[in-house]
Amino acid sequence: AQSVTQLDSQVPVFEEAPVELRCNYSSSVSVYLFWYVQYPNQGLQLLLKYLSGSTLVKGINGFEAEFNKSQTSFHLRKPSVHISDTAEYFCAVSAKGSSNTGKLIFGQGTTLQVKP
Amino acid sequence: DAGVTQSPTHLIKTRGQQVTLRCSPKSGHDTVSWYQQALGQGPQFIFQYYEEEERQRGNFPDRFSGHQFPNYSSELNVNALLLGDSALYLCASSYRGVNTEAFFGQGTRLTVV
Repeated sequence: AQSVTQLDSQVPVFEEAPVELRCNYSSSVSVYLFWYVQYPNQGLQLLLKYLSGSTLVKGINGFEAEFNKSQTSFHLRKPSVHISDTAEYFCAVSAKGSSNTGKLIFGQGTTLQVKP
Repeated sequence: DAGVTQSPTHLIKTRGQQVTLRCSPKSGHDTVSWYQQALGQGPQFIFQYYEEEERQRGNFPDRFSGHQFPNYSSELNVNALLLGDSALYLCASSYRGVNTEAFFGQGTRLTVV
């Protein structure tokens, strides 16, 4: 079984400042890792994913994340945030294997509040 | 490409009633997964359909059931609604292969009164 812990429920930050949203996971098997963003009253949009290869993954809207296998972490970073980045962010894992495609285990979410 | 579409967008039902939610997957996708997202929580996996059969199921009671049609679209049915079933229900579609990702619809907001 897999589990995901997002270490911060809310992260307030000023516009143009850097931000890091923290995610730790637990799994007895190899996993894929994802970050999704959810704007109010909307579905989930994929920001980035780690499947294999380079541990530094770049996504949309200037976000990036680093997979750290030894620390079982997948923290999301952005060097300079905008007001429009205000949203809920979810870290998720999926066990490797074609039968697990689309079966995601999500964390509780982190609310990013960007202040002017 | 219309992406993943869900209907209806909002729904209000009375406790004890039954509800059906619908999902059309992204073009080329053959697998549909359903999630329940309670207010302030992360989405929780309900079940997944592939080749018209339920393939995996999360920790949800039998009141939650589903169906997948030959065109890959899917329905989620919930019987004997409880107040606690009020949530955003998300549908995700994917292609059953390695190294693929799930695309989510906008969700159906179900309110049970």
